[in-house]
Amino acid sequence: DVKVTQSSRYLVKRTGEKVFLECVQDMDHENMFWYRQDPGLGLRLIYFSYDVKMKEKGDIPEGYSVSREKKERFSLILESASTNQTSMYLCASSIYTGANVLTFGAGSRLTVL
Amino acid sequence: DQQVKQNSPSLSVQEGRISILNCDYTNSMFDYFLWYKKYPAEGPTFLISISSIKDKNEDGRFTVFLNKSAKHLSLHIVPSQPGDSAVYFCAASAIKTGNTPLVFGKGTRLSVIA
Repeated sequence: DVKVTQSSRYLVKRTGEKVFLECVQDMDHENMFWYRQDPGLGLRLIYFSYDVKMKEKGDIPEGYSVSREKKERFSLILESASTNQTSMYLCASSIYTGANVLTFGAGSRLTVL
Repeated sequence: DQQVKQNSPSLSVQEGRISILNCDYTNSMFDYFLWYKKYPAEGPTFLISISSIKDKNEDGRFTVFLNKSAKHLSLHIVPSQPGDSAVYFCAASAIKTGNTPLVFGKGTRLSVIA
């Protein structure tokens, strides 16, 4: 069964801390994505990557950066966490076959105090 | 501006009845549409999709209808079951423009009441 694994399900961090959210997929997918989900705002794309060492900004990249050093791993970095980054973070991957049908991880619930 | 709109934030339906979730889009380049289902504290899971060359796609209790002229699609669940209670996201893709991310709506929370 194909899997996208997010290393931390729940995190609590303090304002100003650096936060790393890790995502690993075992499907040899080229594409990887980071979304955040907030009530009433749906799924918003933060960053995505179509290949190793490549990254593209999504709709809300401010305050975030990403790293993709290996095909299977896509990390989301909050350089200095703020309370408005409290959210559910969802990683996804896809193989491009004409449409990006995403496989999502279980999510990482981040609370910034 | 929102390219994919789900105008109903929530919907309640009796068990056994039909659930109809609606989605509108504005970008005429979209040619592939998907529905995802999300339970609390889990990631979204793919439910069903439809290409713009079709106007209907069925998978068991789930049917998606596409009206290209109205830029509207709907997901029908018949019969609805309590386990269908979840948030449903509509998503769209423009295959013609290449490898581009899906665009999601804001979701509709479906509650199926026993």
